[in-house]
Amino acid sequence: SAVISQKPSRDICQRGTSLTIQCQVDSQVTMMFWYRQQPGQSLTLIATANQGSEATYESGFVIDKFPISRPNLTFSTLTVSNMSPEDSSIYLCSVTKTSGSAEQYFGPGTRLTVT
Amino acid sequence: LAKTTQPISMDSYEGQEVNITCSHNNIATNDYITWYQQFPSQGPRFIIQGYKTKVTNEVASLFIPADRKSSTLSLPRVSLSDTAVYYCLAPSYGGSQGNLIFGKGTKLSVKP
Repeated sequence: SAVISQKPSRDICQRGTSLTIQCQVDSQVTMMFWYRQQPGQSLTLIATANQGSEATYESGFVIDKFPISRPNLTFSTLTVSNMSPEDSSIYLCSVTKTSGSAEQYFGPGTRLTVT
Repeated sequence: LAKTTQPISMDSYEGQEVNITCSHNNIATNDYITWYQQFPSQGPRFIIQGYKTKVTNEVASLFIPADRKSSTLSLPRVSLSDTAVYYCLAPSYGGSQGNLIFGKGTKLSVKP
């Protein structure tokens, strides 16, 4: 398994500002992902964080809005830029320990409210 | 990545066995069937994974018929703490990214 922590756990931000969310894993992992989950809804994959290269974004998500970094095998950040109330959501980091594995471990999430 | 369909919600009582069925008609040869559990205010938790026939672990059993077009997650003797959303996924094992596409899930409510 893997133990994942996220910072901050929650935040309230003003529109037009940016927030960077950190994801820290207790061991080296192969893959890291970022998801978004609206209250009462399912999870939507934002992007795959690639070590040492640009993240791979899913349809509807772009780097300018959600820049992602992954400097090493245990850490990643997601920035939500130029926020609007529509960005209010829970943002989750997940990891896999084996490339291509369907068994993912999720962080506790970051609850973001944009006013 | 096969598209999955499962009931939106289910109700049960403590001590009962709960079976949640998921259909994945267009499942591919490389797709595994995987189930996740999510409690409120927490990230999803991996429960079980299978390819065919039956898989059992300390939490649940997973039944997969020969045609693999559906699967059933079985939770024995549920308790109030099993109230959660359960997601069925059919990701391709060994894919280059291993990313997961979550459907709407089944909200299970266990009553006393």
